Amino acid sequence: EIVMTQSPATLSVSPGERATLSCRASQSVSSSLAWYQQKPGQAPRLLIYGASTRATGIPARFSGSGSGTEFTLTISSLQFEDFAVYYCQQYNNWPVYTFGQGTKLEIK
Amino acid sequence: QVQLVQSGAEVKKPGASVKVSCKASEYNFISFYIHWVRQAPGQGLEWMGWINPYNGATNSAQRFQGRVTMTRDTSLSTASMELSRLTYDDSAVYYCVRGGATNPWRNWYFDLWGRGTLVTVSS
Repeated sequence: EIVMTQSPATLSVSPGERATLSCRASQSVSSSLAWYQQKPGQAPRLLIYGASTRATGIPARFSGSGSGTEFTLTISSLQFEDFAVYYCQQYNNWPVYTFGQGTKLEIK
Repeated sequence: QVQLVQSGAEVKKPGASVKVSCKASEYNFISFYIHWVRQAPGQGLEWMGWINPYNGATNSAQRFQGRVTMTRDTSLSTASMELSRLTYDDSAVYYCVRGGATNPWRNWYFDLWGRGTLVTVSS
């Protein structure tokens, strides 16, 4: 099973600043990496797929990069609505899928 | 609109089984995999398994094998997940999620989530 490790567990950033979240895979997942955002009491929402493609309706301040085993989600200028938990997920290792443990993005 | 509508909250005793249903609306149900993901209180997301609505094939994470049963009813555009031999650790929100394409096959991310079904295991 591919293990996905996210860092940091909690990230404190001020509104308007940049946030950088990391995700590492225990073996290569090529570009089959997705990012999801989850707010309290809500289902997760797809942000990024293919490591760098924004899903429909996702603002341009969200960007993803990386391939192989190292991935990054960057939020260029944090808005209040961006404070949430973010999960990465690999979908390369058919038929098994795995999520990272999540990064909580909180207001500094 | 395109959505997955899940059944309501459940309370079960340890050792019992629970069945959660998921109805697809406004898209071709058999064209996309349905996955099940759960989230224990205050915890992260855990992938449980998938069903291919086109042919009924299933696959589950190793830790749930022998305890999870996934089925579908194509006439109702509904997928179901039954988890047996419940323990307190099975208390969680269970999500059904749309995944990749079934025919032709394409593996991809999870683009549509149900709102979740809270399952509480309590004596």
